[in-house]
Amino acid sequence: GQSLEQPSEVTAVEGAIVQINCTYQTSGFYGLSWYQQHDGGAPTFLSYNGLDGLEETGRFSSFLSRSDSYGYLLLQELQMKDSASYFCAVVGVTSGTYKYIFGTGTRLKVLA
Amino acid sequence: EAQVTQNPRYLITVTGKKLTVTCSQNMNHEYMSWYRQDPGLGLRQIYYSMNVEVTDKGDVPEGYKVSRKEKRNFPLILESPSPNQTSLYFCASSFRQTTDTQYFGPGTRLTVL
Repeated sequence: GQSLEQPSEVTAVEGAIVQINCTYQTSGFYGLSWYQQHDGGAPTFLSYNGLDGLEETGRFSSFLSRSDSYGYLLLQELQMKDSASYFCAVVGVTSGTYKYIFGTGTRLKVLA
Repeated sequence: EAQVTQNPRYLITVTGKKLTVTCSQNMNHEYMSWYRQDPGLGLRQIYYSMNVEVTDKGDVPEGYKVSRKEKRNFPLILESPSPNQTSLYFCASSFRQTTDTQYFGPGTRLTVL
């Protein structure tokens, strides 16, 4: 089957660095995406890794290792506004169908 | 402004009363999806469409129908809603299905009594 695993909750203090891990199992893997969702809001795209390595976008970085079926999202210089849920997602291809699979999300709490 | 719109944003209905949730995007995207979000289960794909007149089932299609007659619109139809379809629904679109950013609508909170 196809699945993604990520921690359910992470807590960190303002200014710190936090890493949210994601392991996946899927066929026809294209890449790993990360989305942020604040309470009451819609998911918004953060980053995408199609190839192994690190992608950096401001305070956020994302890493992928295809051989390990593993990726992570790194948030630096944490701010209170980073308190949200973070989802990893992959596109799984089976018999010509392209399905998005999301992890169950990691709730990040940033403490003052 | 580039966006995905959904209507209604909130809906309370009763079991068995057919309803449609509309979704429209103005970015000329080919790929559109419907998701439901339930506590502890994350986002689960209901149906998706890779282009006009091309739709396919996601992971949880039972009890739902969709259509894609125009590129911009992708309505979700519940012909006989049941209480287990009470959920938060999101429509999303992307230029392609494999790599591009998905843009999500604001969500529709549905309660079926």
